[in-house]
Amino acid sequence: DTEVTQTPKHLVMGMTNKKSLKCEQHMGHRAMYWYKQKAKKPPELMFVYSYEKLSINESVPSRFSPECPNSSLLNLHLHALQPEDSALYLCASSQEVARRGYTFGSGTRLTVV
Amino acid sequence: ELKVEQNPLFLSMQEGKNYTIYCNYSTTSDRLYWYRQDPGKSLESLFVLLSNGAVKQEGRLMASLDTKARLSTLHITAAVHDLSATYFCAVHYNDMRFGAGTRLTVKP
Repeated sequence: DTEVTQTPKHLVMGMTNKKSLKCEQHMGHRAMYWYKQKAKKPPELMFVYSYEKLSINESVPSRFSPECPNSSLLNLHLHALQPEDSALYLCASSQEVARRGYTFGSGTRLTVV
Repeated sequence: ELKVEQNPLFLSMQEGKNYTIYCNYSTTSDRLYWYRQDPGKSLESLFVLLSNGAVKQEGRLMASLDTKARLSTLHITAAVHDLSATYFCAVHYNDMRFGAGTRLTVKP
């Protein structure tokens, strides 16, 4: 299995909703990442987990809450989002050394209404 | 702070022509990546360049890395329509940082 699986693929949520994005990989990678990508922009790093521990938080608002229940799973909990949070959310994973680059999931297209 | 700069940001070229995309970065790194992204899709890894002087080729695309100049190039040979996409370079420092991307359109 050489894939990173993200669910759901599309999500529409209201500003008062609570939802979660899920990411799963079975490649034995020990680092997992959340990126946010706005239209026509490059991906921007949000969070990095290394060995299931949060190692980088790029000053992301608290309405985004990451969770890494185990080495294969990564969640992003969403609460009280704003319309400007609408974007493509990409999950990625890599081996510890990341010499082969990151493997990206297909992303979740999030729309906040 | 690591900065990754790509140029051009937009590239329109005719089929059969050659062109080069440039990627400059500001901090010493020995790992540089090129990704392709089709509209509405995720990122597809094209090349991983790990050392100074590294050159990799896949089909009509060839990537090179000069760590001393902090420069990578992605050369397109005899472009075809299927190459139309956005191409990102990315540099690994403490994590992966992306350039702004080059939106390539190949016209018949």
